[in-house]
Amino acid sequence: DSGVTQTPKHLITATGQRVTLRCSPRSGDLSVYWYQQSLDQGLQFLIQYYNGEERAKGNILERFSAQQFPDLHSELNLSSLELGDSALYFCASSHFERTEAFFGQGTRLTVV
Amino acid sequence: KNEVEQSPQNLTAQEGEFITINCSYSVGISALHWLQQHPGGGIVSLFMLSSGKKKHGRLIATINIQEKHSSLHITASHPRDSAVYICAVPGGGADGLTFGKGTHLIIQP
Repeated sequence: DSGVTQTPKHLITATGQRVTLRCSPRSGDLSVYWYQQSLDQGLQFLIQYYNGEERAKGNILERFSAQQFPDLHSELNLSSLELGDSALYFCASSHFERTEAFFGQGTRLTVV
Repeated sequence: KNEVEQSPQNLTAQEGEFITINCSYSVGISALHWLQQHPGGGIVSLFMLSSGKKKHGRLIATINIQEKHSSLHITASHPRDSAVYICAVPGGGADGLTFGKGTHLIIQP
């Protein structure tokens, strides 16, 4: 158990809908990263937050957004969902930036 | 942008064999990560290393910063080592990781 908790584990939704994925980092970790793993693109970095502030953006679509709350948990919001958004979404946390990151078990999103 | 290449893509070996997975990257980095992903999908961080060698149980990771190359070794391999092993480095300009495509390892009893 990495100490990073992601909910829900599985999510099935229809095209055009909006979903929210939640991540609770390890106790004391200030940095949260979101990654997407799809069959065709592999693992890709989406976005990073550090102590409530956005720090870096990767290949995140405009339809996607994220935030980190004062208690350091983070949410990834995916809207106007398309079939191609079906993927595993991972959250990872680290104590500081550029230190070892620990991954959650992922949320498997299926868009039908 | 850092390009990460892993080899081999697939590897099948017999129990007890010594396993080597290689990773090379294109841009100098501060540290490199080795990750393990089991069929259930969860990702486990195995190592983060910036120089030399690290060992954890039967796993050994080495890195050569000058040659931009890292290797992951598994000694006395066991069927429970069957998984996808992924090499990752910090992406150019961003703190998020850039990942290799992974090495799918199967250890047969």
